[in-house]
Amino acid sequence: DSGVTQTPKHLITATGQRVTLRCSPRSGDLSVYWYQQSLDQGLQFLIQYYNGEERAKGNILERFSAQQFPDLHSELNLSSLELGDSALYFCASSPPLGGGTDTQYFGPGTRLTVL
Amino acid sequence: QQPVQSPQAVILREGEDAVINCSSSKALYSVHWYRQKHGEAPVFLMILLKGGEQKGHDKISASFNEKKQQSSLYLTASQLSYSGTYFCGTESGYGNKLVFGAGTILRVKS
Repeated sequence: DSGVTQTPKHLITATGQRVTLRCSPRSGDLSVYWYQQSLDQGLQFLIQYYNGEERAKGNILERFSAQQFPDLHSELNLSSLELGDSALYFCASSPPLGGGTDTQYFGPGTRLTVL
Repeated sequence: QQPVQSPQAVILREGEDAVINCSSSKALYSVHWYRQKHGEAPVFLMILLKGGEQKGHDKISASFNEKKQQSSLYLTASQLSYSGTYFCGTESGYGNKLVFGAGTILRVKS
């Protein structure tokens, strides 16, 4: 158990719908990362937040958005869903920036199925 | 730019050794190694920093060749529990995003 929690564990929805995935980082961690993992794409970095501010952006579609709240939990919003959005979505967190590099601890993931 | 992992897959018998390689075309600051079992979250194994030493714990160790922008993960005397997909993630500078390779599937048979 990494200490990162994600809800829901599974989500089944239809094309065109909108869903929200939630992540709570480990206690004390300020960074939250979102990744998408589909069978043929591996782990794709979507976006990173640090203490409420967007810090880095990866291959995140315009239909997707995220935010990190004052209590440091984060939400990933996926809208106008397409079949190809079906994937495992992972959240990871890491400690405050302080030199060196930061281990990312992954949550259990949310499996999204778009029908 | 996504790092390249090799081999794509490897099958071992218990007790055999394996090496998984990760190479990048960009100058690297760090290399992170994770193992993921099917349907589960990636689990952190170790980080290697530019200028750092070879790292390891138990029978899993790794090296980082900064000049060649390559890292290798060494698994010795493999156990059934080593089965899974191994990912390397590379960072080109401190605080930069982590870019993961496509993964190496390792299967250990009894």
